[in-house]
Amino acid sequence: DAGVIQSPRHEVTEMGQEVTLRCKPISGHDYLFWYRQTMMRGLELLIYFNNNVPIDDSGMPEDRFSAKMPNASFSTLKIQPSEPRDSAVYFCASSPSGGSDTQYFGPGTRLTVL
Amino acid sequence: RKEVEQDPGPFNVPEGATVAFNCTYSNSASQSFFWYRQDCRKEPKLLMSVYSSGNEDGRFTAQLNRASQYISLLIRDSKLSDSATYLCVVNMHLGDSSYKLIFGSGTRLLVRP
Repeated sequence: DAGVIQSPRHEVTEMGQEVTLRCKPISGHDYLFWYRQTMMRGLELLIYFNNNVPIDDSGMPEDRFSAKMPNASFSTLKIQPSEPRDSAVYFCASSPSGGSDTQYFGPGTRLTVL
Repeated sequence: RKEVEQDPGPFNVPEGATVAFNCTYSNSASQSFFWYRQDCRKEPKLLMSVYSSGNEDGRFTAQLNRASQYISLLIRDSKLSDSATYLCVVNMHLGDSSYKLIFGSGTRLLVRP
């Protein structure tokens, strides 16, 4: 079975540009999570969805960040406008049930904002 | 105080050594605990869950001390392939029936020949 799929794997953009990261969770998983990982702050939860509904977005750093999940097999994380401090690896993860269940991570998108 | 704290390391050990990592957590209501492994430039992957009675999976043993809010991971007979960052993960109660996982910053292990 395919795992969590993320695209693009690498993104280099200039400050002020819009960036859209994409995720396809494992089929049948009800929960989807977006994380950001940096050397300074480690792995941080940005937002998570249950059955396509955002449950907790308290980790979203500011209004420049938005996330959507229009259906059970697709989610996007958008940054507009992007800033150099947004440079990080963004992981999407999915889980069969519950925030306490095992989470399966995608390979991540390495974002560099110049 | 961080919600989940780990010694960042690195722990530099020879092959065959036994190494132990510790982790403390702040939320006494936490009920689920895990160790994840993350290789360089890869995604985190579940290594093992941690149960109240302690559990073992081959060379890996995890222990939980609820009274001290402390979790440990013991690796016996270290292999070169064990070199990675080990993330301590604890669930945090959000105040209703929902939880979210909190990841520690990780402990880096280097196993040398």
